[in-house]
Amino acid sequence: KAGVTQTPRYLIKTRGQQVTLSCSPISGHRSVSWYQQTPGQGLQFLFEYFSETQRNKGNFPGRFSGRQFSNSRSEMNVSTLELGDSALYLCASSLGPSTGELFFGEGSRLTVL
Amino acid sequence: DQQVKQNSPSLSVQEGRISILNCDYTNSMFDYFLWYKKYPAEGPTFLISISSIKDKNEDGRFTVFLNKSAKHLSLHIVPSQPGDSAVYFCAASGGDNDMRFGAGTRLTVKP
Repeated sequence: KAGVTQTPRYLIKTRGQQVTLSCSPISGHRSVSWYQQTPGQGLQFLFEYFSETQRNKGNFPGRFSGRQFSNSRSEMNVSTLELGDSALYLCASSLGPSTGELFFGEGSRLTVL
Repeated sequence: DQQVKQNSPSLSVQEGRISILNCDYTNSMFDYFLWYKKYPAEGPTFLISISSIKDKNEDGRFTVFLNKSAKHLSLHIVPSQPGDSAVYFCAASGGDNDMRFGAGTRLTVKP
């Protein structure tokens, strides 16, 4: 079956702009989590969605937001982009919330100029 | 707050020898631990896991050890192969906590 799909894979934005990233989970998976990966910081948890509800949120400013649709697809949005937002944004899906193994997509690499 | 810590950013070993990657955690609610492997330009992939009711789990060349009292786990790779060269992330979850990851350890296996 198809894996986790993230779009776009690469994008370049300028400071002050906003960006929306999309994630389609594995079929049947209802939980989607988002992580930010930067060099030396590992994977920083952004938020987790299950059944269209945000279950957990990491320690990120309100400029970072997300949502999940009824088909389990998820989007995350970053407004008023800053240079420090340049990172690889990874989406992961799982059968249920905070359970078991996460399956990751290949990520969306965002560069903010 | 870094609830999962991997204090070694990098590790280099010779092909055929043992690789030992370490991880510490602070949250006593964590009861499920995983290791992920990541190649460049790819998402992390699941490698091996262990629940808190066990102290060892083995899968082929990979073994994970858990020391709950020390809040420490380690991943042993024996024998190491050049294809094992990647970044390894330790992760933990439990209670109502989301899955937390360490900063990763870059393993280089030299031929």
